Amino acid sequence: DVKVTQSSRYLVKRTGEKVFLECVQDMDHENMFWYRQDPGLGLRLIYFSYDVKMKEKGDIPEGYSVSREKKERFSLILESASTNQTSMYLCASSRTAGGIYEQYFGPGTRLTVT
Amino acid sequence: AQSVTQLGSHVSVSEGALVLLRCNYSSSVPPYLFWYVQYPNQGLQLLLKYTTGATLVKGINGFEAEFKKSETSFHLTKPSAHMSDAAEYFCAVSGSGTYKYIFGTGTRLKVLA
Repeated sequence: DVKVTQSSRYLVKRTGEKVFLECVQDMDHENMFWYRQDPGLGLRLIYFSYDVKMKEKGDIPEGYSVSREKKERFSLILESASTNQTSMYLCASSRTAGGIYEQYFGPGTRLTVT
Repeated sequence: AQSVTQLGSHVSVSEGALVLLRCNYSSSVPPYLFWYVQYPNQGLQLLLKYTTGATLVKGINGFEAEFKKSETSFHLTKPSAHMSDAAEYFCAVSGSGTYKYIFGTGTRLKVLA
């Protein structure tokens, strides 16, 4: 059974803290994605990576960075957490060759910044 | 550029009634279209997808969707709703040569006993 796992289901952090969200997939997928999900806004792409050490900004990259040192692992970093980054964060992966393949999602991390 | 519009952020149906969730898209390239379902406190799970070929696609849990190019639509249907169908549903579009998937804002389906 294919699987995308995320390091935490729930996380509470203070304003200004550095936050790491980790995602691991076991499907040998080239592409990995980070989204944030907010009510009424759907899923918005923060960053995606199409290969190890390769990344591209999505629609809302401000305040975030990412790291992909190994094919199976994709980390999202909040350099200095702010209250407006309180959200649900979803990681996904997909095979390569463009957008023809579906994405596989992790269970999400609900981050609260106080 | 690509975009997705889901009409109706909340839809209620009676158990056993037809489910119809609407999705319209725009795309400058031939689209690949997806429907995902999200149960509470879970990630998204693929219901079905259209890439090429037959325009009526069948998915899991009795759902199906029809790609209508002339109407730029990909509506999701199920003949008879079940209580377990209560969830949020997302339509998404991508296209050849793009890594990006554009998601709609979601439709929350409520099934009434």
